[in-house]
Amino acid sequence: QSVLTQPPSASGTPGQRVTISCSGSSSNIGSNTVNWYQQLPGTAPKLLIYSNDQRPSGVPDRFSGSKSGTSASLAISGLQSEDEADYYCASWDDSPNDLYVFGTGTKVTVL
Amino acid sequence: QLQLQESGPGLVKPSETLSLTCIVSGDSISSGSYYWAWIRQPPGKGLEWIGNIHYTGSTYYKPSLRGRVTISVDTSKNQFSLKLNSVTAADTATYYCARPLRGWLQFSSWGQGTMVTVSS
Repeated sequence: QSVLTQPPSASGTPGQRVTISCSGSSSNIGSNTVNWYQQLPGTAPKLLIYSNDQRPSGVPDRFSGSKSGTSASLAISGLQSEDEADYYCASWDDSPNDLYVFGTGTKVTVL
Repeated sequence: QLQLQESGPGLVKPSETLSLTCIVSGDSISSGSYYWAWIRQPPGKGLEWIGNIHYTGSTYYKPSLRGRVTISVDTSKNQFSLKLNSVTAADTATYYCARPLRGWLQFSSWGQGTMVTVSS
């Protein structure tokens, strides 16, 4: 069972803004950076956001990340049909756990 | 262009050892300060970090798998490997190898994944 909690699903119509939350604790998000991954059906995950709010080269600026305290958020603005995917947050969880944890995942549906 | 390719048996019997290799091309596994990783995903479920390895052999493992898992590196073949012993049905998953953007946890390059089923 993951220590990073995400809503199971989120949805929006094309062009809308969708926000996904990731709730953690002081031992993970509260003291470490957050990464976000997008996983399209049947494919390997793709790094979408790293270090809370940084986009790797090639990721559209429609995707943005933020962190506050023990929670983080991923926002998708100008939602497009190709954004329909699973999204996972991830962060290092400090001692005594000492492991990299992924969130529970959020399925985004474009209506 | 960096490419990672997992290889290994798709079927493993319970109590036996799962062995996978990640073949790296387009970059030297010895370059940079990357910690190369194994991550898995059971069917229909979320992602699970297994562990990381640096080309020097330094490793980090998920605590609950420690004792069953070994990640090793072969710089001469530009590849790294995963061994998971005493497998059960709970180890059935798609296994991915990955490399971080920098450092060790921002996984920006992934293999396509290989499905491993544990069944007699």
